[in-house]
Amino acid sequence: QVQLQESGPGQVKPSETLSLTCTVSGDSISGFYWSWIRQPPGKGLEWIGYIHSRGTTRYNPSVESRVTILLDTSKKQISLKLASVTAADTAVYYCAKYDNSGFDYWGQGTHVTVSS
Amino acid sequence: DIQMTQSPSSLSASIGDRVTITCRASRSVSNYLNWYQQKPGKPPKLLIYAASALRSEVPSRFVGSGSGTDFTLTISGLQPDDFAIYYCQQSYSSPTFGQGTKVEIK
Repeated sequence: QVQLQESGPGQVKPSETLSLTCTVSGDSISGFYWSWIRQPPGKGLEWIGYIHSRGTTRYNPSVESRVTILLDTSKKQISLKLASVTAADTAVYYCAKYDNSGFDYWGQGTHVTVSS
Repeated sequence: DIQMTQSPSSLSASIGDRVTITCRASRSVSNYLNWYQQKPGKPPKLLIYAASALRSEVPSRFVGSGSGTDFTLTISGLQPDDFAIYYCQQSYSSPTFGQGTKVEIK
């Protein structure tokens, strides 16, 4: 059973970089896509991007110029960096395992507020 | 991007009712359509993948159907545990979600 746990600061100042980490346990990280998804308060789900264990990435065009997703296979960690944040980036951020059959395993999510 | 549109945005139903949620894609996604259930403060839970395949732990009262651009999620015999928000999501291209359908108690 795959388990995912997000971690990182709960508050980030405007114009700074949001940095989160997702730690995977219970299964191999290889051969799968690992994704970040966010949900602003009271709103729906927005896919941010994913990385395959081989290192290929794909990002949502809405954030592509600001986002980087990296994978550390030795630590079984997926990181998210989102630059130049604004209040619109305030959300619960989830990491999830993904393939064409959907996002089948999710972390519990971490809430990030962008505020000075 | 493929846009996903769900209807209705919300509905009220009683225990035992049959409810149907519709999801429409802006272009064909074949059968690469998944459904999720989300409860307050929790991550979404994958219920149905490939339009109609039920995940093993999901009750059989959840039924997905459709292909191409039009899909439905039907819950037969609504149970107290089913009051939640439901999202569709296409995995044909870069993932996109519908805006969600809130199922409330009448």
